Amino acid sequence: DTAVSQTPKYLVTQMGNDKSIKCEQNLGHDTMYWYKQDSKKFLKIMFSYNNKELIINETVPNRFSPKSPDKAHLNLHINSLELGDSAVYFCASSLPSGSTEAFFGQGTRLTVV
Amino acid sequence: GENVEQHPSTLSVQEGDSAVIKCTYSDSASNYFPWYKQELGKRPQLIIDIRSNVGEKKDQRIAVTLNKTAKHFSLHITETQPEDSAVYFCAARPSGYALNFGKGTSLLVTP
Repeated sequence: DTAVSQTPKYLVTQMGNDKSIKCEQNLGHDTMYWYKQDSKKFLKIMFSYNNKELIINETVPNRFSPKSPDKAHLNLHINSLELGDSAVYFCASSLPSGSTEAFFGQGTRLTVV
Repeated sequence: GENVEQHPSTLSVQEGDSAVIKCTYSDSASNYFPWYKQELGKRPQLIIDIRSNVGEKKDQRIAVTLNKTAKHFSLHITETQPEDSAVYFCAARPSGYALNFGKGTSLLVTP
């Protein structure tokens, strides 16, 4: 059973389009995250949700909008895609306690052309 | 926010040698320090973690040390093997916040 799953795995799209990435976890975790990994491999936190509520919103363009319909799902919608949005996006989840492991999804490689 | 610095960015060792990766963090409220391994094209996966009430932890060939006073922690891999080749990330988390990662160390173990 996949603990954290995200779809799609690959996404190629043109500049200006709007796209969504979906994430689901079956671990019973309350906290979910989106990370962006750029070409230099740097993993940067974008958003953090706890029990469907946004608790962290790093300096991310407002073209990015997360949505959490329930605590097992955290989707990422991106409007007006730009070349610089090309990256691997990872969803992750953990228990809300600060001292627990974060489990990552397999990543979505987004390529904007 | 938390700022995590990681060194070196690349590390090449011969099979059987030891590898050491060092990280520093800025937020004294951080209390959880995991290390993740990411193989090419795969997701980051936890290999070992340490909490702020512990100074050292070991799991077979992997060990982590934490110095809270100096705000630094290190990963030690002994008897390295080619399958240890990957990118390693340290991270720190202040309670209630997300993991903040270092920029990664690309480890290459040559036979």
